[in-house]
Parts: sequence; C-alpha cells; structure tokens
Amino acid sequence: GENVEQHPSTLSVQEGDSAVIKCTYSDSASNYFPWYKQELGKRPQLIIDIRSNVGEKKDQRIAVTLNKTAKHFSLHITETQPEDSAVYFCAATYTGNQFYFGTGTSLTVIP
Amino acid sequence: EAQVTQNPRYLITVTGKKLTVTCSQNMNHEYMSWYRQDPGLGLRQIYYSMNVEVTDKGDVPEGYKVSRKEKRNFPLILESPSPNQTSLYFCASSPQGGGYYNEQFFGPGTRLTVL
Repeated sequence: GENVEQHPSTLSVQEGDSAVIKCTYSDSASNYFPWYKQELGKRPQLIIDIRSNVGEKKDQRIAVTLNKTAKHFSLHITETQPEDSAVYFCAATYTGNQFYFGTGTSLTVIP
Repeated sequence: EAQVTQNPRYLITVTGKKLTVTCSQNMNHEYMSWYRQDPGLGLRQIYYSMNVEVTDKGDVPEGYKVSRKEKRNFPLILESPSPNQTSLYFCASSPQGGGYYNEQFFGPGTRLTVL
C-alpha cells in the first residue's frame, strides 16, 4: 500500500510568518492529496486539496503545491494567525476509497 | 443540520467484551469510513464502504468488523476488544467514493479505552 511521510512533526512560527509542511508519498499512482486541520479536541476538517493534474492550488492564505516527479506535496500557510494553531494532516489516495494519512504536524503560532 | 454522529463519545471497557460504536450521517452520503487516531501515527483507515452492502478493508482492519445495511449507518464492531485497540475513533462520510474525490466529513470521535 501507499506510505505517506510528513515533516516536521512540530512547527512553531511567529504570528505573521509563513509555515510550510511537507509530505512525501511512495505510490506514483496516487492522484488526490487532501489536507485536514484538526484543532485541539475537535474533528479533522478539510482545508484544501489538490489533484494530480494540477501543480498548485491556492485558497486565500493557504496553498498546496504538488511535485509528481519527486512524489511530494506541501502545505503553505502565509501570514499565520493564532487561530491557525492546530494539527495538520496530509493524505494521499489512488482509489478515492482508501486514504493514507501522514502522522501529523502540530503547528503553533506564537502571538 | 447536516452532520455525522457517533455514539458513544467515550467508552471504557474490558478485554474481550464485545462492543459496537455507531456512526450515522444525515447527508445521504454513499461513502463512509472508519479511522483510528493514535499519537505519532496519525489517522489510519480501518474499513470503508462505498455504498449499502459494499464494504472493504482499509489499512488496519484486524480485530474490527463493520456492516452497512442502511445508507445512513455504518457501525464499527469490536467482537473481542484488546488493549491495543485503545484509541480515538473517527467515522467519516462523503457524497461518493471512488474517482469523485469528495471531501470527507468527520464525526466528533469516540474515545475508547480497553482495560
């Protein structure tokens, strides 16, 4: 099956700075890559996703980039705010049914 | 309100005592899935269902069973729970599985402790 690795496991940034979380995947057949945000004690929620036919996608302060050749994709958060503090999970799938998640990145935005 | 619900939210049980965690969605979603979340391991998929009477194994199905007799319900069954199944469990649903790549909507989670 697919193997998704996520780095770093923890990340602290000053408010207003950018944060980057990187994931690598093993199966070149994977073609859909969602990112989920999980606030403390809450359920995961989708924040952005990208399909393999697209190299980059943006939604306000959040962007995701995909490098299919290198088999990695990254989450970029600009102008970070305290409410961005959460655990972020990347995921990959090639069937749309079986999802493989990374181990999570705990982001802390320091005011 | 569109939502995924799980019951119970918290459960402490003992080794070997069969239990069922219920999951229900009111969004008429075809796809449903169960995950477990453990520190340092992220979310791992246990089982998924593309539609009624169609279920399949995820990455970590051992020790679990599921059924999908109705579209809205997808219970997770632990017939003989063991301490290594102590975890936080999430049910999720999406409009369709397969190549549609829809957003998954997660339930509130069930924290299970097996003594």
